[in-house]
Amino acid sequence: ELKVEQNPLFLSMQEGKNYTIYCNYSTTSDRLYWYRQDPGKSLESLFVLLSNGAVKQEGRLMASLDTKARLSTLHITAAVHDLSATYFCAVVGAAGNKLTFGGGTRVLVKP
Amino acid sequence: SQTIHQWPATLVQPVGSPLSLECTVEGTSNPNLYWYRQAAGRGLQLLFYSVGIGQISSEVPQNLSASRPQDRQFILSSKKLLLSDSGFYLCAWSVGGGGGYTFGSGTRLTVV
Repeated sequence: ELKVEQNPLFLSMQEGKNYTIYCNYSTTSDRLYWYRQDPGKSLESLFVLLSNGAVKQEGRLMASLDTKARLSTLHITAAVHDLSATYFCAVVGAAGNKLTFGGGTRVLVKP
Repeated sequence: SQTIHQWPATLVQPVGSPLSLECTVEGTSNPNLYWYRQAAGRGLQLLFYSVGIGQISSEVPQNLSASRPQDRQFILSSKKLLLSDSGFYLCAWSVGGGGGYTFGSGTRLTVV
């Protein structure tokens, strides 16, 4: 059974500083997704990582994938208040189409 | 372009009442369709997924069921709601092959 773990569960950030969220998964996969969720809202797609060594960047967010280590990271550069949200990673297992989510990381950026 | 519609947005239902949530996708054919549930402050749990009309796979035993009467329509139902059925229900679609998973706007269900 595919398990996806994120850490930390909660991250209190100071504006202007850099932080990293980690996502580990238990079985082989070459598709990993990052989503953002604002309170009371649905999921917004951030990144799709499809191969070992893939790196994607959008604004202050950068995601990378190491399939050998079964690890993805979401790096936040110079945090700003607008980045406050819950971030989820999700993995498609080798069996097919099902997307399994990590528990989420709640990010709060303080001035 | 592809869009996904989910309704209603919010729902308050008494314990023991029936449930029907609907999800439709536009702009694509033969999508994979999914129902997820998110309990308050928690992660997302896959409830059902479907790769075609009439094909439903259940992930978690419970008093919910799903149906796919048409290619782009996915329905989540219950005959008798429990308090534990409260949560945020999200429908999603994908076309596989490394593509993305797109989520609907969600239905917040409160069972009282």
